[in-house]
Amino acid sequence: AQTVTQSQPEMSVQEAETVTLSCTYDTSESDYYLFWYKQPPSRQMILVIRQEAYKQQNATENRFSVNFQKAAKSFSLKISDSQLGDAAMYFCAYGGGYTDKLIFGTGTRLQVFP
Amino acid sequence: ETGVTQTPRHLVMGMTNKKSLKCEQHLGHNAMYWYKQSAKKPLELMFVYSLEERVENNSVPSRFSPECPNSSHLFLHLHTLQPEDSALYLCASSQTLRGESKNIQYFGAGTRLSVL
Repeated sequence: AQTVTQSQPEMSVQEAETVTLSCTYDTSESDYYLFWYKQPPSRQMILVIRQEAYKQQNATENRFSVNFQKAAKSFSLKISDSQLGDAAMYFCAYGGGYTDKLIFGTGTRLQVFP
Repeated sequence: ETGVTQTPRHLVMGMTNKKSLKCEQHLGHNAMYWYKQSAKKPLELMFVYSLEERVENNSVPSRFSPECPNSSHLFLHLHTLQPEDSALYLCASSQTLRGESKNIQYFGAGTRLSVL
């Protein structure tokens, strides 16, 4: 069975600095997708970034980028130039190649200090 | 706004009550999901509907009963709940192709349920 582990329950960063959130996963599948979702206090889960496992190039969306290490089964999220609005819970999720199911980690709460 | 609307935002109910949670998506998607989010636990997938057919039921107690009358609406009927059922219930939708989860799931803001 696939699992997703986020080992950092809480992280903090100063505004304008860079922070990296960690995620590891376990799977025997070769075709899958990895996601980072953000859940602000408004509770609406919002997709931050998505990585397709067959792509070697790391995904990037503006200030958000990932470090995808397929052999190590690691998928970390880097937030550059952190802003106050980045404060939220961040969830890493795994999606298998042939299922509608997403498996989520326990989340990392990110605090951003001015 | 992600195009997925959940009502009510908050719900308090006694253990003997019957209530329903509603989810509506305006994205033209063909799959909808119910998740349970409890503190310090991963999101738990409860039900998946693809093309209005229930395709997954993750050993959810029968006091939770889903209904998907069409591809835009999803309900979760609640009956005789327990205090441990108190949680945030999230609905999501996606455009799925042959059950491939590469398609992004879009979430609603959830219903915060408290069972007294």
